Amino acid sequence: EPEVTQTPSHQVTQMGQEVILRCVPISNHLYFYWYRQILGQKVEFLVSFYNNEISEKSEIFDDQFSVERPDGSNFTLKIRSTKLEDSAMYFCASSERYGYTFGSGTRLTVV
Amino acid sequence: GQQLNQSPQSMFIQEGEDVSMNCTSSSIFNTWLWYKQDPGEGPVLLIALYKAGELTSNGRLTAQFGITRKDSFLNISASIPSDVGIYFCAGQLWGAQKLVFGQGTRLTINP
Repeated sequence: EPEVTQTPSHQVTQMGQEVILRCVPISNHLYFYWYRQILGQKVEFLVSFYNNEISEKSEIFDDQFSVERPDGSNFTLKIRSTKLEDSAMYFCASSERYGYTFGSGTRLTVV
Repeated sequence: GQQLNQSPQSMFIQEGEDVSMNCTSSSIFNTWLWYKQDPGEGPVLLIALYKAGELTSNGRLTAQFGITRKDSFLNISASIPSDVGIYFCAGQLWGAQKLVFGQGTRLTINP
């Protein structure tokens, strides 16, 4: 069964540093997403990406965040100048029109 | 913003018992999804509901989309140890791609 692959599975970074989280969506999917889940809380939408541009973003997705599809297979989330409160699980997902598939997530710890 | 109210927050049951959880919202959703999340993993889709009043089964799982498109329930019959995890409802609004998640129901099963 096709999978959404995320790397790395764990990332520890110092406050103020930049991190890039990587995702390989399912190859024939057209919509790509990033969600985050702070420990013990619900999954929250960050951003959706379609046709090489952001189609929707939440209030969480401020200037600190950016997304990119640098080639035909990767989809990245960059977090500039990380803060302690950015510590969370970050999930990538992809879909055709319906039927999301989520990756296993990257656990980001900011120290 | 849109919110899904999921209950109960946690359940402690005996193996073999049936389980029921539900989600309600003040918003009308186009699509309603039920996910299960195991520790350290991403959400895995269990059941997707597209039509008002739709009742759908997936093995021991049964879910229904409310007639008003504002609520849904998920039932698990004859629970087994591997049912342990966190169950999330998620809704997708008309014309939007993002998912709005409920707070989750943590299911614990005593053998």
